[in-house]
Amino acid sequence: EPEVTQTPSHQVTQMGQEVILRCVPISNHLYFYWYRQILGQKVEFLVSFYNNEISEKSEIFDDQFSVERPDGSNFTLKIRSTKLEDSAMYFCASGDGYEQYFGPGTRLTVT
Amino acid sequence: GDSVTQMEGPVTLSEEAFLTINCTYTATGYPSLFWYVQYPGEGLQLLLKATKADDKGSNKGFEATYRKETTSFHLEKGSVQVSDSAVYFCALSDRGYQLIWGAGTKLIIKP
Repeated sequence: EPEVTQTPSHQVTQMGQEVILRCVPISNHLYFYWYRQILGQKVEFLVSFYNNEISEKSEIFDDQFSVERPDGSNFTLKIRSTKLEDSAMYFCASGDGYEQYFGPGTRLTVT
Repeated sequence: GDSVTQMEGPVTLSEEAFLTINCTYTATGYPSLFWYVQYPGEGLQLLLKATKADDKGSNKGFEATYRKETTSFHLEKGSVQVSDSAVYFCALSDRGYQLIWGAGTKLIIKP
């Protein structure tokens, strides 16, 4: 069964550093998403991506964040200058416009 | 804006007990409703969904009915197992883009 994969599973970085979180969506999906879950809190929407552009983004998704689909298979989330409060589990999802299928997540720890 | 409210956890039950996890929503349109499950150390899995009023979603013995009149989508299972221990999230999608999430309810099943 096709699944969404994410790498790395855990990333530790120092405050101010750039990180890139990678996702491989399900191959025939056209909609891509990033969500995050701060430990013990609810899942929060960051951004959705369709037809090679951002279709929707939340207030969290400020200028420090960017997304890219560089090669038609990967979908990346870049955080330019990480802050302590960016520590969270980041989930990628892909979908067909009706359902969203989630990857296992990347745990980002900013020290 | 749209929102989802679910009962606080943890919910602790004995094996074979009846389960109800309450979920209510507010939305300006006609959302699709979802239950996701997160097993310890894993990602978010779609458990069941309903796309219109009076639809019943079901999977793995779990059920939820989309009640427009009470704006609810309560999750039920007739006889829980230890393996059902997880965090359950209620979510809605209005317009097919971002998912809006409840806070999650941790379920603990004791043998």
